[in-house]
Amino acid sequence: GAVVSQHPSWVICKSGTSVKIECRSLDFQATTMFWYRQFPKQSLMLMATSNEGSKATYEQGVEKDKFLINHASLTLSTLTVTSAHPEDSSFYICSARDLPSGRAQYFGPGTRLLVL
Amino acid sequence: GESVGLHLPTLSVQEGDNSIINCAYSNSASDYFIWYKQESGKGPQFIIDIRSNMDKRQGQRVTVLLNKTVKHLSLQIAATQPGDSAVYFCAENRGSNYKLTFGKGTLLTVNP
Repeated sequence: GAVVSQHPSWVICKSGTSVKIECRSLDFQATTMFWYRQFPKQSLMLMATSNEGSKATYEQGVEKDKFLINHASLTLSTLTVTSAHPEDSSFYICSARDLPSGRAQYFGPGTRLLVL
Repeated sequence: GESVGLHLPTLSVQEGDNSIINCAYSNSASDYFIWYKQESGKGPQFIIDIRSNMDKRQGQRVTVLLNKTVKHLSLQIAATQPGDSAVYFCAENRGSNYKLTFGKGTLLTVNP
């Protein structure tokens, strides 16, 4: 149980284009999902908290207009990197809580983004 | 600022030995802790969690110890196997916002 998927697993795009990453909870409903960014050999950095049916809450320093988050259903959250630049290249990982009161987060496999 | 950190960035053990990975946290208000395992190129995998009203919790081959007095968390892996080689992160949560703060990670290498 508590399986989270992400799509795509790997994406290469040109600078200036937008990229959408999907995060799905496969066997549970997730009222809250989280988006993280991870640079090589570093820890996970929380970007935003995504709540179903409401606006995402962004961490300080994260541009909400650049990283658009939509949580339209209890099993799907999307992260769109708009007008991507090479510095946006990173490993993006989502997670979800499996119960309304559960505190553990279960992570997806991650999406590696390379912006040329 | 508040943070969750690790004493050792790398740990190398022999196959079959027990491993101990340590983590220090600075916020005494933290009341929930999780250990994750992350293999190269993959997302973190939940290992075990513990609430602050406990000081020990055991899973399959793993034990988490919590010492609130010195704000220290440890993960013990029994009979370490090559498949245990990965980066291990501790994470802490406080309050009802469910956000996790991650430590820096420890790279565990298991030598055959």
